[in-house]
Amino acid sequence: GENVEQHPSTLSVQEGDSAVIKCTYSDSASNYFPWYKQELGKRPQLIIDIRSNVGEKKDQRIAVTLNKTAKHFSLHITETQPEDSAVYFCAASRYSSASKIIFGSGTRLSIRP
Amino acid sequence: SAVISQKPSRDICQRGTSLTIQCQVDSQVTMMFWYRQQPGQSLTLIATANQGSEATYESGFVIDKFPISRPNLTFSTLTVSNMSPEDSSIYLCSVEEQGAGANVLTFGAGSRLTVL
Repeated sequence: GENVEQHPSTLSVQEGDSAVIKCTYSDSASNYFPWYKQELGKRPQLIIDIRSNVGEKKDQRIAVTLNKTAKHFSLHITETQPEDSAVYFCAASRYSSASKIIFGSGTRLSIRP
Repeated sequence: SAVISQKPSRDICQRGTSLTIQCQVDSQVTMMFWYRQQPGQSLTLIATANQGSEATYESGFVIDKFPISRPNLTFSTLTVSNMSPEDSSIYLCSVEEQGAGANVLTFGAGSRLTVL
């Protein structure tokens, strides 16, 4: 079955700098890669996702890149702000089946003022 | 997106007891999912609940320990049976919604259980 590895487990960046979180997946049939943000004590919320037919997707300060050949994808946050502090989870699945979504282990991002 | 209400939001339970968590959605959904998030850990799928059929459990989770009901298309319950301290976790209900070409997960706020 699918296995998703996520690195780093913790990340601290200066406010205004960029943050990058990386994930690898094992199942070459996976074609949908969402990212969830979980603020302290809150529910996980989808912040961006990408399908395997594109290599990059951007939404304001957040971008995700996908390398299907290498089976890895990354989340990039630019101009980080205090409200970006949270735990981020990458995930992989076949897009037609949310029941088969596999989450990474999470990255705790802290933004230093 | 769907609005999901879970209760209780938190509870402290005694070893050996059972607790039922309720999940209410403001729209009819085909599939509902129950996840466990152990302290500082990732999200692990316990089971998928479909209306009118038995829940489908993931490896490592069994019906006797986590019985699930799905009486209609807007409601589900998860029971954590014969609890031990190892069951202390956040339990999250989620639903699958049709996104732009993909089915996305929306989560409830979770139920934080502490077992003493």
